This record gives sequence, structure tokens and C-alpha cells, in this order.
Amino acid sequence: VQLVESGGGFVQPGGSLRLSCAASGFGFSAFDMHWVRLVPGKGLEWVSSIGATGDTSYAASVKGRFTISRENAENSLYLHMNSLRVGDTAIYYCARVRWGGYYDDWGQGTMVTVSS
Amino acid sequence: DIVMTQSPLSLPVTPGEPASISCRSSQSLLHNTGYYYLHWYLQKPGQSPQLLIYLGSNRASGVPDRFSGSGSGTDFTLKISRVEAEDFGVYYCMQGLQTPYTFGQGTKLEIK
Repeated sequence: VQLVESGGGFVQPGGSLRLSCAASGFGFSAFDMHWVRLVPGKGLEWVSSIGATGDTSYAASVKGRFTISRENAENSLYLHMNSLRVGDTAIYYCARVRWGGYYDDWGQGTMVTVSS
Repeated sequence: DIVMTQSPLSLPVTPGEPASISCRSSQSLLHNTGYYYLHWYLQKPGQSPQLLIYLGSNRASGVPDRFSGSGSGTDFTLKISRVEAEDFGVYYCMQGLQTPYTFGQGTKLEIK
């Protein structure tokens, strides 16, 4: 199993980024996938989820600004982030979800820095 | 949202000594399958989190048997029987019962 994130970077407040997560080594289309972030000086925070059937959910802090999507034919997960805020600065991880609501595999993370 | 509260937030430990971390949830984590949807992770500096314990008490693949998880209802504990140098980092509990999934604040296990 391998999850590889990309797309992070430095952006000004109000800007946009698209994160990608390339999955390999497992049947991607059958699994729920989540985005989780590590906020500097704080801790881990759940961001968004997408089920195997495409149902989505968002943390209140990102709802209306972030959009999660997946392309099963490409074994890829995405997070479209708009109207970025300083508080969105974090390392963003994609993670595979197992029955029972736990993450058994994580990517290496991609850093997003929002600053003027 | 389910609130997860860990204690202590900092835990200085001498290698070879035991360690224990407590995690409390604001509501029961018992799923109707009979399992507790409470999980433990360790994050070392510069690394991704790694799964230690899932469903309250099951060690993940490759996790040494010095790690154990227990608890029920809203109170859970992670124990390390004898801390080794590779165990230092930040430990998180997490509930996977309902979205938003929520994490404890993290417990930093430090060398004493």
C-alpha cells in the first residue's frame, strides 16, 4: 500500500490549492478515504472524507471552502481548497479508512502554508 | 461532535519504565457491532502518524506486544510495559464512531 500526496505549497490568504493523493497497492475504489491535517503547535485534525460510493463530509472549519473528490480510474484522491486562511496552514495527509473507523495507512504528507 | 480528552499532555519517562496514557470521550464509543471505535496513533517528528491500537485493544500489524490498549464506554488507556527509545513521540487517541472523527490533544512522551 502506498499513498503519495502532492500539491502543497505557499499561498496568500484567499488563494487556492489542489492537493492530490496517488494510491497504489490496493483496490482504491473499494475504500473510504480521508484527509487529515497536522496543525503546527496543535495536533491532528480531521478535514474531510469521501466514501467508496462518493458520499462526502467536511469539518465545520472548511465546509464551503474545501471540496473532496476522487477519480477511481486513476486511483487518485483530491482536495480542492479555496479561500484559504492562515489557520489552514498545516501538513495535509491522505489516509485509508478501514471498517471500524481507523486509518491503517497514511501518506507522507504535503505542507500547505498560508501567509501574506 | 465527540470531544476527546487525553491526559497527561506531557509524560517524561525513563527508558525501561512503564507508561500510561488516558483518553476520555464525551460520549460512549461503543458501536452496535459490539466494538469500541477508539484507536491510538503515534507520530514521531517528521513522520506520518502510525496506527498502534485499533478498536480499543487490537495491536496493529508489527506493533510490539509491550503496547496494550484497554477501556470501555468513555474511558480508555494505552499502556507501554517498558518504554524503549523508539517509543518517544506524540500519542493520539481518535474516535472513528462518527464524523467528524476527532482526536485527543496529543500526549508527548519524552525522555526523562
